[in-house]
Amino acid sequence: DAKTTQPNSMESNEEEPVHLPCNHSTISGTDYIHWYRQLPSQGPEYVIHGLTSNVNNRMASLAIAEDRKSSTLILHRATLRDAAVYYCILRDNNNAGNMLTFGGGTRLMVKP
Amino acid sequence: DVKVTQSSRYLVKRTGEKVFLECVQDMDHENMFWYRQDPGLGLRLIYFSYDVKMKEKGDIPEGYSVSREKKERFSLILESASTNQTSMYLCASSVSNYGYTFGSGTRLTVV
Repeated sequence: DAKTTQPNSMESNEEEPVHLPCNHSTISGTDYIHWYRQLPSQGPEYVIHGLTSNVNNRMASLAIAEDRKSSTLILHRATLRDAAVYYCILRDNNNAGNMLTFGGGTRLMVKP
Repeated sequence: DVKVTQSSRYLVKRTGEKVFLECVQDMDHENMFWYRQDPGLGLRLIYFSYDVKMKEKGDIPEGYSVSREKKERFSLILESASTNQTSMYLCASSVSNYGYTFGSGTRLTVV
């Protein structure tokens, strides 16, 4: 399975943008890049996913490098409620048997 | 919004007891999953199911079994609970290739 590498933790100030990096140098052509986050005492929640083009939704933006070997989740204006563990996951969306495999993720701390 | 509901938020059971963890989803999703989450080990897949009465082993199925008699319900069974099964258990559901929706989790303590 293609693996992802994320920093263990990051800090941000409230109301500032946050860029969460993810390296996935062994990504295959059919792997989608998924991001989930897990708030304290909650199950993970879906944030965003993409294949090649940058993606935006109400929660975040996903910037994908041209060679697809890395990506960045962008929170445009961090709030205290964004403090969570963020997981970057590769998944072959064309293969229904391909499960989500969670790594260690990045623990984001947001300072007021 | 899709809801995945886990029957208990906290559970305390004795060693050797048979334990049932229930999970119900309300959006007709085909796929359902059970994970456990432990500090330093992250989320690990126990079992999953693509359809009613179908089940597949995940990465750590030992000591567990599952049941899916109806599409909306996926049960995780600990046949004889042991202390090393103390953990946070998370259920999820999905439609084919789309995102997973997780429940809030059941924190099980086996004493």
